[in-house]
Amino acid sequence: ETGVTQTPRHLVMGMTNKKSLKCEQHLGHNAMYWYKQSAKKPLELMFVYNFKEQTENNSVPSRFSPECPNSSHLFLHLHTLQPEDSALYLCASSTGTGGTGELFFGEGSRLTVL
Amino acid sequence: AQSVTQLGSHVSVSEGALVLLRCNYSSSVPPYLFWYVQYPNQGLQLLLKYTTGATLVKGINGFEAEFKKSETSFHLTKPSAHMSDAAEYFCALFRESGTYKYIFGTGTRLKVLA
Repeated sequence: ETGVTQTPRHLVMGMTNKKSLKCEQHLGHNAMYWYKQSAKKPLELMFVYNFKEQTENNSVPSRFSPECPNSSHLFLHLHTLQPEDSALYLCASSTGTGGTGELFFGEGSRLTVL
Repeated sequence: AQSVTQLGSHVSVSEGALVLLRCNYSSSVPPYLFWYVQYPNQGLQLLLKYTTGATLVKGINGFEAEFKKSETSFHLTKPSAHMSDAAEYFCALFRESGTYKYIFGTGTRLKVLA
């Protein structure tokens, strides 16, 4: 496989459920990102990991918990979400520090919170 | 503060007509600039980028953009629209310095009329 792969593509969960989104990149990149894309809102950066270390947390509520076990994998653990958390969650990767900044995106995980 | 402004959240053009999507930026230092495209139910895909050098940048699918420092603009153009160009387009700015390295515009949805 090549590129950035996100699973699942679609997820429906209740407000009391616990679920996880997974992202895997096969590009040899060192930086990985979670973005939230809601209707009629700009792309929101949630988390950035560089060489497995979290370098940014953009004031994201604690009900979202990221995990980056290695440079190729990124998870977003979800628990006790709210309906307003329904959105498309995009994972991206880049070469990291020193690169030209190009982001490679996955196809996204469409989350619906009931 | 750095920012990206895309003029027009929706643009409609006839098939075969010129496509012009506007992007203005604000940055205290020379930025890297990008255009991404997002087709329905997909992630973002890089169309083209400007880092240094030639100010007219050619991308995929016949798109190009010109970096104009004096006008702080990076407008995206395509001489002849195709139905398959219907998508959402995002202009983005990247700088290595600062805690927030990547700034996206709010997006322009392009509609191509038959």
